[in-house]
Amino acid sequence: QSVLTQPPSVSGAPGQRVTISCTGSSSNIGAAEDVHWYQQLPGTAPKLLIYNNNNRPSAVPDRFSASRSGTSASLAITGLQAEDEGDYYCQSFDRSLSDLVFGGGTKLTVL
Amino acid sequence: QVHLVQSGAEVKKPGASVKVSCNSSGYTLTTYYMHWVRQAPGQGPEWMGVINPSGSITTYSQKFQGRITLTRDTSTSTDYMELSSLRSEDTAMYYCARGSRRGAGIYNWFDPWGQGTLVTVSS
Repeated sequence: QSVLTQPPSVSGAPGQRVTISCTGSSSNIGAAEDVHWYQQLPGTAPKLLIYNNNNRPSAVPDRFSASRSGTSASLAITGLQAEDEGDYYCQSFDRSLSDLVFGGGTKLTVL
Repeated sequence: QVHLVQSGAEVKKPGASVKVSCNSSGYTLTTYYMHWVRQAPGQGPEWMGVINPSGSITTYSQKFQGRITLTRDTSTSTDYMELSSLRSEDTAMYYCARGSRRGAGIYNWFDPWGQGTLVTVSS
């Protein structure tokens, strides 16, 4: 059971917009701990997508955006493309555990 | 360009230890923290621990405390993760992942990640 909760799967057609939620608690996201997002394409290592809640590394397209509010965060992907298919993970710090924690992951399928 | 290259796959018997290496290039190793993260088949990533830029201080997840040792060889720009008393549940892909710059705090994002080292524990 992951400390951060994500939906197991989401799907969308090419060109559409999808969102992926990440629900935490008062000891992590709710405590204003930063949230980071990763993309893991099949057979590869995770890749940083968003850092510090809503910042994109320079190589990440602006189709990817994220936000944080209360005890949750969300990742939005617009203009879905076939190459976006993969797993997406949120990550934060939990003050009760004193650990970096991840969500269980969300599998994105492009229909 | 920053690259993290890890050692090859390992097969170990229950009770044994494994040592995985991670060689960094394209930046100065002693400027950044290095984290270790594992991912069991079909599961999300799990943070294991971190070593500070100079290699003098380690912080481990409570889950692995007593079984994990992180070390750093600055002369070869290589980090090591050793996990002992292996059991079948330790079968996973193990990743090194660069953390923050020195002075920026330990608990931030990971970028980039190594390619992963598959460790299989089986009798």
